[in-house]
Amino acid sequence: AQTVTQSQPEMSVQEAETVTLSCTYDTSESDYYLFWYKQPPSRQMILVIRQEAYKQQNATENRFSVNFQKAAKSFSLKISDSQLGDAAMYFCAYRNNAGNMLTFGGGTRLMVKP
Amino acid sequence: NAGVTQTPKFQVLKTGQSMTLQCAQDMNHNSMYWYRQDPGMGLRLIYYSASEGTTDKGEVPNGYNVSRLNKREFSLRLESAAPSQTSVYFCASSPTRDRGPGELFFGEGSRLTVL
Repeated sequence: AQTVTQSQPEMSVQEAETVTLSCTYDTSESDYYLFWYKQPPSRQMILVIRQEAYKQQNATENRFSVNFQKAAKSFSLKISDSQLGDAAMYFCAYRNNAGNMLTFGGGTRLMVKP
Repeated sequence: NAGVTQTPKFQVLKTGQSMTLQCAQDMNHNSMYWYRQDPGMGLRLIYYSASEGTTDKGEVPNGYNVSRLNKREFSLRLESAAPSQTSVYFCASSPTRDRGPGELFFGEGSRLTVL
């Protein structure tokens, strides 16, 4: 079974600064998908960004970008120009190409200091 | 834009009681899921339904049953609740795999406390 590891239980960043959240995963597959989800205090799970493993180019969505290192099985999330509204739990998730389910990491709590 | 709707949002049960969590989606998705979220453990899959008429166990199915009532609805039942089932439960849905990466769309969660 695939495993997803987020080694940073908590991170903090100063408003307007940049922060990187780490994620590693274990798989023997070559074709798969990776996701970052945000969970604010409201509990709602919100998709932040997705990456297809067959794409070499790192995905970006406005202030959010990823550093996808396929050989290292690493998928980090970079948040630029951090805002107070970015404070939340962030979950990394993996799905292989044939699978129906997402496997989640344990989450990283991000605090943003004004 | 309802998306995925779960009810109830909060529930307190006594040990041994039964209850059903309801979930409905209006996005015409084929696949539906039930996850539970516990502190420090992320989200763990309880059951999923790849399509109407099928259900499969996930990582932590013991103590739960599910019913895929139709394409829209997927319910989760606790027959005899235990304190270990105290958790936040999320229902999710996703389009078919051949239509993209298959990201999940989540409901708002249901907080269940078993005393």
